[in-house]
Amino acid sequence: GAVVSQHPSRVICKSGTSVKIECRSLDFQATTMFWYRQFPKQSLMLMATSNEGSKATYEQGVEKDKFLINHASLTLSTLTVTSAHPEDSSFYICSAFDRTEAFFGQGTRLTVV
Amino acid sequence: AQSVTQPDIHITVSEGASLELRCNYSYGATPYLFWYVQSPGQGLQLLLKYFSGDTLVQGIKGFEAEFKRSQSSFNLRKPSVHWSDAAEYFCAVGSYNFNKFYFGSGTKLNVKP
Repeated sequence: GAVVSQHPSRVICKSGTSVKIECRSLDFQATTMFWYRQFPKQSLMLMATSNEGSKATYEQGVEKDKFLINHASLTLSTLTVTSAHPEDSSFYICSAFDRTEAFFGQGTRLTVV
Repeated sequence: AQSVTQPDIHITVSEGASLELRCNYSYGATPYLFWYVQSPGQGLQLLLKYFSGDTLVQGIKGFEAEFKRSQSSFNLRKPSVHWSDAAEYFCAVGSYNFNKFYFGSGTKLNVKP
């Protein structure tokens, strides 16, 4: 079946630095990808919808200048957490639909120290 | 705007008993509905999905769900729960063109021996 690859799986960064997370659809094209944040023992909160060749659509309350999304090709979307702070520490997951089924990346555990 | 509500945060059932997990959605058009299961430290596994047609949907692991438009519900059921079913269950709703995909807050299922 389709595969969504997310990298890195874990990252630790210093407060104030930026971190880039990549999400690739390996054997299908994804014009739309979703970025979620999942806190421990909580649900996936949709942060933004990434659209190939156009601006991302951010959910209410999500700072678009802090969470930069780029969807430059049909197989790659990136999420950059800029000027990271400890409160940005979380589990980030990307997802994309292949036809009618959603496929998820493995997730990225971000720890800001 | 779309939203998904899972009213029950925790549910405990005895092994062998029947199970029903509730899911209510809010969406202007006919939604695409999904149920996922997530075990600790694991990714999301699709149990079943509804797009159209028969409102009773069969999924994997003996699960089924019924779409009730009049009640805006898509409840998940299983006639006899196994200890291995203990996990977190998420209901999700997608837009018809797959440019939005929201998750409910999740229901944690505990199974008593």
